[in-house]
Amino acid sequence: SAVISQKPSRDICQRGTSLTIQCQVDSQVTMMFWYRQQPGQSLTLIATANQGSEATYESGFVIDKFPISRPNLTFSTLTVSNMSPEDSSIYLCSVEGGSYNEQFFGPGTRLTVL
Amino acid sequence: QKEVEQNSGPLSVPEGAIASLNCTYSDRGSQSFFWYRQYSGKSPELIMSIYSNGDKEDGRFTAQLNKASQYVSLLIRDSQPSDSATYLCAVNKGFNKFYFGSGTKLNVKP
Repeated sequence: SAVISQKPSRDICQRGTSLTIQCQVDSQVTMMFWYRQQPGQSLTLIATANQGSEATYESGFVIDKFPISRPNLTFSTLTVSNMSPEDSSIYLCSVEGGSYNEQFFGPGTRLTVL
Repeated sequence: QKEVEQNSGPLSVPEGAIASLNCTYSDRGSQSFFWYRQYSGKSPELIMSIYSNGDKEDGRFTAQLNKASQYVSLLIRDSQPSDSATYLCAVNKGFNKFYFGSGTKLNVKP
């Protein structure tokens, strides 16, 4: 499976600011996915990012709050904008692969908003 | 109704026992099914995938799928303390729509 890295691994941010999370894959992939895992909860898909097109957002997530870039086939960024304490979560990027289109996850970014 | 339901646990088993983790899903059109293991503070790690009805074995792990009952399970034989983690059931409904259960916390006691 692909090797996925994320930056930063963790951050503590002030309310009202924005944070951009980077996701790098060691091989070219068509789609990249961004998930959120709130404390004690499971994973929720934020959006799917295809190279060369606008990201597709899931219900409850909007581009103004979570803008995504996908400049090439190995890289994507997720920005969490105008943060509030409710945005405190782990943010994970993933790629698909394998026989059943499994999803493989990066190490995650632990975000705390004060 | 949630797409994927799991008992949150914790499920406690003694070392060497069989741990049985269960999951139900709501959409009969779901195509493939997965079990992920997530250690505290880490990201989910894929341990099993299953597509067809029946059992699929990989080492100490066996995934079981019953599409008629919309039920997926994971058996861990000879449980070890290192198996202590949260186990997430996931369902692929197609078109890259993955849904995750809330996870079952497993404690394996030495």
